[in-house]
Amino acid sequence: EVELLESGGGWVQPGGSLRVSCAASGFTFSRFGMSWVRQAPGQGLEWVSFITGSGERTDYADSVKGRFTISRDNPKNTLYLQMNGLRAEDTAVYYCAKGVAGAIIDYFDYWGQGTLVTVSS
Amino acid sequence: QLVLTQSPSASASLGASVKLTCTLSSGHSNYAIVWHQKQPEKGPRYLMKVNDDGTHRKGDGIPDRFSGSSSGTERYLTISSLQSEDEGDYHCQTWGAGTTVLFGGGTKLTVL
Repeated sequence: EVELLESGGGWVQPGGSLRVSCAASGFTFSRFGMSWVRQAPGQGLEWVSFITGSGERTDYADSVKGRFTISRDNPKNTLYLQMNGLRAEDTAVYYCAKGVAGAIIDYFDYWGQGTLVTVSS
Repeated sequence: QLVLTQSPSASASLGASVKLTCTLSSGHSNYAIVWHQKQPEKGPRYLMKVNDDGTHRKGDGIPDRFSGSSSGTERYLTISSLQSEDEGDYHCQTWGAGTTVLFGGGTKLTVL
């Protein structure tokens, strides 16, 4: 059974940093691209970032480019999102999502339960 | 520019059927989309992929009550024999070169 379990969310002041993690199980982690998707309060889903199965290529939404860094540790079956220069508008529940291919971005067939990041002074 | 449009809300009675629509912007009728269900306090759940020819592929454990179809730039999710646990938000998603990942605004489904 595929499971994705996020952790590391919390409260941070504007300008601060936070790293969220996603522990994966139930599938061969290194074979699949992974993404982070967020949902701000009362808003829809917004794709944030993508990383290929090998970790060699990454992509970001314009809203986070230059501030967020996605990475993965395949031996540990873990996905990360390092968030720097956080803004109030980054407040959201952050979900990790499994792609159906390894080297290209596509759609998501499994999601985690999310971790809440609150940016506020 | 590729845009996905969904009605903000829909409602139907317990036991009835409902058809939700995701509309692709003009010129993008060849795009597939996927449907995700988002219930309160839960992570999203992948329901199915709907191709431009109307064929669809459901995720693991998705009941037969859920089906997908297409017409032109519209992609549909039909839920029959509505149950109370079907209440929630339904999001469509597409993807592609130069577009990365795009979501519709979501439709909030109320079961009366």
